[in-house]
Amino acid sequence: ETGVTQTPRHLVMGMTNKKSLKCEQHLGHNAMYWYKQSAKKPLELMFVYSLEERVENNSVPSRFSPECPNSSHLFLHLHTLQPEDSALYLCASSQDELSPSPLHFGNGTRLTVT
Amino acid sequence: QKEVEQNSGPLSVPEGAIASLNCTYSDRGSQSFFWYRQYSGKSPELIMSIYSNGDKEDGRFTAQLNKASQYVSLLIRDSQPSDSATYLCAVSGGYQKVTFGTGTKLQVIP
Repeated sequence: ETGVTQTPRHLVMGMTNKKSLKCEQHLGHNAMYWYKQSAKKPLELMFVYSLEERVENNSVPSRFSPECPNSSHLFLHLHTLQPEDSALYLCASSQDELSPSPLHFGNGTRLTVT
Repeated sequence: QKEVEQNSGPLSVPEGAIASLNCTYSDRGSQSFFWYRQYSGKSPELIMSIYSNGDKEDGRFTAQLNKASQYVSLLIRDSQPSDSATYLCAVSGGYQKVTFGTGTKLQVIP
């Protein structure tokens, strides 16, 4: 596989469930990101990892917990979510977090919280 | 609050016409500017990047940047129905914290 791969593509979960989103990049990039995309709102940066270290946490509620075990994999652990957390969650990677290199996005996970 | 402003549209143009998409940004320290295209139900994909004042052309696409006016635009020549999508303007201040606009929906009418 090439590019950035996200699984699952769709996820429906109750407010008391625990689930995880997975992202894998095959581009040799050093930086990985989680973005949230809600209707009528701009893409919101949630977390940035550079060489497996978290360099940005954009005031995201603790019910979202990221994990980056290596430079190719990124997870977003979800627990006790709220209905307003329903959105498209996009993973992205870039060459590194300092240079003005563009973002490469995965296909996203469409999350619905019931 | 750093902001990127775009007209949400939809912007409707006939096939073969020039589509002009505009974006303004608030952070004068911004250094990198990107245009992403997002088809319905798909993820954003980069179509243009521009870093200095002036025009940058790539095929049917031209990006224009005016840092003094804090304005960046995207022109699509000979618009095709396949260009129908939402176009996201993105701005970065050097450190890879990219701020996105809400996007402009473009409809190319056959």
